Amino acid sequence: SQQGEEDPQALSIQEGENATMNCSYKTSINNLQWYRQNSGRGLVHLILIRSNEREKHSGRLRVTLDTSKKSSSLLITASRAADTASYFCATDSNSGYALNFGKGTSLLVTP
Amino acid sequence: DTGVSQNPRHKITKRGQNVTFRCDPISEHNRLYWYRQTLGQGPEFLTYFQNEAQLEKSRLLSDRFSAERPKGSFSTLEIQRTEQGDSAMYLCASSPTFPRNTIYFGEGSWLTVV
Repeated sequence: SQQGEEDPQALSIQEGENATMNCSYKTSINNLQWYRQNSGRGLVHLILIRSNEREKHSGRLRVTLDTSKKSSSLLITASRAADTASYFCATDSNSGYALNFGKGTSLLVTP
Repeated sequence: DTGVSQNPRHKITKRGQNVTFRCDPISEHNRLYWYRQTLGQGPEFLTYFQNEAQLEKSRLLSDRFSAERPKGSFSTLEIQRTEQGDSAMYLCASSPTFPRNTIYFGEGSWLTVV
């Protein structure tokens, strides 16, 4: 089952701009992760934020988590054309091993 | 660490044929997962192994789908009597015992059923 839902479904920006993607989920979680997928390729793990954390940074990435609203956001600062990809949020499940992915946000960064 | 390897990367098969995909996880990762991804969707969990034990298989899509990991190393996913609706990318992933939450995906195996 797909618990996470990303918003927007598609986002087009110019190089240098910031990109913000949102994820909403339905049930309580232990952690939430963001993955990136280039067209036709596998997924690459970007960042994990635990339920007791509110914000986390990794390079140009900033992730926030609001467990009261069951939502998370991924901010990519100073975007580059190479950031063009689909971005997925994933939440853990009660089983502890299956990740539930949303449908993703397709990001296009134009030079 | 050579990453998760999947073969073949692409497979075109006729409806009704059987197909098998192989996954070689990152060495020493004892957890292995199979996911399926269709166009415009996120990955959908199929099954999970810890070492050679298949601990979750109820989310395999039908009894035409089966997976094995006989020696706790590589794994195979077999689809019998393929249908056009099976066309998708099949992703394998692995993770260590700790931290287990971060899983590492392979590049996927694309299946097209014609």
